[in-house]
Amino acid sequence: NAGVTQTPKFRILKIGQSMTLQCTQDMNHNYMYWYRQDPGMGLKLIYYSVGAGITDKGEVPNGYNVSRSTTEDFPLRLELAAPSQTSVYFCASSRSGQGFGYTFGSGTRLTVV
Amino acid sequence: DQQVKQNSPSLSVQEGRISILNCDYTNSMFDYFLWYKKYPAEGPTFLISISSIKDKNEDGRFTVFLNKSAKHLSLHIVPSQPGDSAVYFCAARGGATNKLIFGTGTLLAVQP
Repeated sequence: NAGVTQTPKFRILKIGQSMTLQCTQDMNHNYMYWYRQDPGMGLKLIYYSVGAGITDKGEVPNGYNVSRSTTEDFPLRLELAAPSQTSVYFCASSRSGQGFGYTFGSGTRLTVV
Repeated sequence: DQQVKQNSPSLSVQEGRISILNCDYTNSMFDYFLWYKKYPAEGPTFLISISSIKDKNEDGRFTVFLNKSAKHLSLHIVPSQPGDSAVYFCAARGGATNKLIFGTGTLLAVQP
């Protein structure tokens, strides 16, 4: 059982480039989330989805876009990468309505230079 | 505005002793509180949770205490082991979408 799979694990982008961070889960979870972790800042919610076709903004959505065409996949798109987007990105999923927490992927470390 | 705060960036304890990690929150509408553990180069993993209607939850060596009047929760690890060395995040849930708001984390180092 793979859980939540994120690709790539590492990436270096130049300013202005675009990329998509992939996230796939095989647990049939309805809810999916994207967080970023900056040093000393904890995890900040970028976007989330409560089911296929439904997405909404979190705390720090600027510069990102998401889509949720299937239950399994929740890609995060960065358009016009900026140095401020240098961070570690985590995708997570959960069942609906439970307070038992998320299953996280192992993260994507992104550097924008 | 940081709704979930972990004011201690780091904590060092001796193996076998108790580790106490603290967390404060500001929003009285949070209904669940959770602790996550994170090793370097890995995603956070769920450790233990507590509903806002309870004041204590225990799971093996880990106990979470909730003081709603003080808007404070704490994680106790007894006895601490070197394998417990990690960053611990406190998180709070604030609604039906199951969104979690995370604290900034506390780095726990358990010395052999």
